Amino acid sequence: AQSVTQLGSHVSVSEGALVLLRCNYSSSVPPYLFWYVQYPNQGLQLLLKYTTGATLVKGINGFEAEFKKSETSFHLTKPSAHMSDAAEYFCAVYTGNQFYFGTGTSLTVIP
Amino acid sequence: NAGVTQTPKFRILKIGQSMTLQCAQDMNHNYMYWYRQDPGMGLKLIYYSVGAGITDKGEVPNGYNVSRSTTEDFPLRLELAAPSQTSVYFCASTLLPAGGAGQPQHFGDGTRLSIL
Repeated sequence: AQSVTQLGSHVSVSEGALVLLRCNYSSSVPPYLFWYVQYPNQGLQLLLKYTTGATLVKGINGFEAEFKKSETSFHLTKPSAHMSDAAEYFCAVYTGNQFYFGTGTSLTVIP
Repeated sequence: NAGVTQTPKFRILKIGQSMTLQCAQDMNHNYMYWYRQDPGMGLKLIYYSVGAGITDKGEVPNGYNVSRSTTEDFPLRLELAAPSQTSVYFCASTLLPAGGAGQPQHFGDGTRLSIL
């Protein structure tokens, strides 16, 4: 079975500071990788995805993630946090007709 | 564009009652999924379907049933509600054309279910 590990269930950053949310996966073959964001009382929305090609992927709202095969990682970053970035973030892996989700990281942005 | 629509948004059930959570998508997606989300646990796959008439179990199927009679609809049935089924339920769909993959899931806004 696949596993997706998100280090840090809660992350706090100051407004304007770097955001770094960590994601590692276990897979014997390169999977498809996704980051989703969830705002309160809403479903998950796609931030970005990696399928093939360039390992640095840019998404919406200034977020980007880098696929590192040797480290089996897909960390999410944003250079400057905004108050509106406060939400729950989920890393997901797609393989074998199924998606596997991490347990989520709650991002708090401090003014 | 409606996308993925879930009804109801909230529901309170008594132990032993049954109910059906509705999910409909208007994007002609082949694949549909049901997840439950519990605090600190992420999303757990309950059932999924790769097309009309085809369903399969996910990670946590016990206590649930599904059907897929049309491409658009994928209802989730709780037959004998138990307190352990208190959760937020999300339906999602994906377009996976033959030979392609990496399509993201589209999620509904969820059904918040409490069983007392």
